[in-house]
Amino acid sequence: DQQVKQNSPSLSVQEGRISILNCDYTNSMFDYFLWYKKYPAEGPTFLISISSIKDKNEDGRFTVFLNKSAKHLSLHIVPSQPGDSAVYFCAASARSGTASKLTFGTGTRLQVTL
Amino acid sequence: GAGVSQSPSNKVTEKGKDVELRCDPISGHTALYWYRQSLGQGLEFLIYFQGNSAPDKSGLPSDRFSAERTGGSVSTLTIQRTQQEDSAVYLCASSVPGQGMGGQFFGPGTRLTVL
Repeated sequence: DQQVKQNSPSLSVQEGRISILNCDYTNSMFDYFLWYKKYPAEGPTFLISISSIKDKNEDGRFTVFLNKSAKHLSLHIVPSQPGDSAVYFCAASARSGTASKLTFGTGTRLQVTL
Repeated sequence: GAGVSQSPSNKVTEKGKDVELRCDPISGHTALYWYRQSLGQGLEFLIYFQGNSAPDKSGLPSDRFSAERTGGSVSTLTIQRTQQEDSAVYLCASSVPGQGMGGQFFGPGTRLTVL
């Protein structure tokens, strides 16, 4: 049972345009959400997160939106840059205040073209 | 080093052999996690350690898998009698709980291939 779903395995965006990566979840106990970025042969690196008490969190070119009623979140990257080309994983946790295992989606491969 | 380190980076073994994978977390991080990523799959939680508490082993796929953390630092993931379906990248992460969920810091992973 996939509790965190990233239905788009890949996405191609032109440099300078907006990249929108989507993620859906089924477990209503999740209260903290994170996006990770992964380059080949490297471990994932933390990008941005959002607590369920918010509906938006912004950090530079990256913004995460959370729609709790729809159990949906998205990551917006604007403007997209070639260096953003990587696999992006959405992750969720059910215990935001403490150490907790993360449940990951299967990832979306973003390619930013020139 | 400043980051999470894992060894070996690659491991090729024969079916039925035991393997040990090592993780050195970031100094001072009390939480340590093991995940694995099989081909075409997302990261799958295996086990996590938090300080001196009993580890959460709920993600271990079978009793062939075990992990320990000595002295609250280095962790070893052991897979006994390896099977071909164990082939995956095994990722370790560490974090500092109680300082907000700034995310877990991942190592580069160990790519395990079982022939």
